[in-house]
Amino acid sequence: DIQMTQSPSSLSASVGDRVTITCRASQIIGSYVNWYQQKPGKAPKLLIYTTFSLQSGVPSRFSGSGSGTEFTLTIGSLQPEDFATYFCQQSYTVPTFGGGTKVEVK
Amino acid sequence: QVQLVESGGGVVQPGRSLRLSCEASGFTFSVYGMHWVRQAPGKGLEWVAVIWYDGSNDYYADSVKGRFTISRDNSKNTLYLQMNSLRAEDTAVYYCARDSRELRPGHTMDVWGQGTTVTVSS
Repeated sequence: DIQMTQSPSSLSASVGDRVTITCRASQIIGSYVNWYQQKPGKAPKLLIYTTFSLQSGVPSRFSGSGSGTEFTLTIGSLQPEDFATYFCQQSYTVPTFGGGTKVEVK
Repeated sequence: QVQLVESGGGVVQPGRSLRLSCEASGFTFSVYGMHWVRQAPGKGLEWVAVIWYDGSNDYYADSVKGRFTISRDNSKNTLYLQMNSLRAEDTAVYYCARDSRELRPGHTMDVWGQGTTVTVSS
């Protein structure tokens, strides 16, 4: 199975900050990475698919980049509703998820 | 609107069985692959299984292979997960999720249910 290593596992930030989360795959997976947001007690929500593409309805402050084995989710200017946990997931083969990054209030 | 609603969770003893259901509405269920994903308390997401749009193929995580079976009834717009020989480590919230691609799954999950909780305990 392809392992997805996500970092950091948590971070503290303030409204307006630029936030970057990284995911590293255990092998080359092209652009087959998705990013999800999850709030406490809620189901995950798809934010970005195939590295760069923004899911319908997702604000443009979210962006994705990377290729091969290194991928990044960036929140351009953190908003109050963005405090949540974020997961990467590879879709190159049967899915595997990263361990998650909890974005907390500084 | 597009919706997935899981049911069937509960408390079950180790070694026993449970069947989860996921009823779909608001989209043409029969053309989409479907997934089950679980989340143990305080932990991350773990993909469990996928089934092709027509039920012709399915794949499982190693942790559930041989114990869990994914299936679907397209006439009822319903996805199932039959869980046998349950273990304490199967305790989790179980989500069903739609694959974003029609016909052959692309393994991106764009619609999720609210989840159903399974607790395996004596």
